[in-house]
Amino acid sequence: GENVEQHPSTLSVQEGDSAVIKCTYSDSASNYFPWYKQELGKRPQLIIDIRSNVGEKKDQRIAVTLNKTAKHFSLHITETQPEDSAVYFCAASIKTGNQFYFGTGTSLTVIP
Amino acid sequence: DAGITQSPRHKVTETGTPVTLRCHQTENHRYMYWYRQDPGHGLRLIHYSYGVKDTDKGEVSDGYSVSRSKTEDFLLTLESATSSQTSVYFCAISAGTGAFGIYFGEGSWLTVV
Repeated sequence: GENVEQHPSTLSVQEGDSAVIKCTYSDSASNYFPWYKQELGKRPQLIIDIRSNVGEKKDQRIAVTLNKTAKHFSLHITETQPEDSAVYFCAASIKTGNQFYFGTGTSLTVIP
Repeated sequence: DAGITQSPRHKVTETGTPVTLRCHQTENHRYMYWYRQDPGHGLRLIHYSYGVKDTDKGEVSDGYSVSRSKTEDFLLTLESATSSQTSVYFCAISAGTGAFGIYFGEGSWLTVV
């Protein structure tokens, strides 16, 4: 099956700085890459996604990039705010069977 | 939020007892999933379903079984609970193949003592 690796496991940034979280995947058949934000005690929530035919996608302060050749994708958060503090998960999905495989998460702390 | 309801939300049970967690959706989505979440492991797929009575194993299926007799309900059963199954269990749903997001329920906190 698919193997998704995520780095770093923890990340601390000053408010206003940028944060970058990186993921790699193993299965070239993966074609959809969502990112989730999970606040303490809550469910993971989809914040942005990217499809395999797109190299970059941006939504306000959040952007994702995808390098299919290298099999890696990244989440970029600019102008970080304290409310961005949470655990972020990347995932990869293979169309066949619609299975989703998750990274192990990155705990982001934004220091005011 | 997607119409996903999990029950029970919290449960404490004894080792060796059977436990069933229920997931109910109102979105009429084809795909349903059960994940467990543990520190350091992220979200790991237990079982998933791609239609009524159509299910398959995920990466950590040992000790778990599932059933889906109706589109809206997906049940996860621990036949004989063990302490290693203490975890947070999330049900999730998805509309289709490939480029559609997966949406999670609120989670069920299970403690096996």
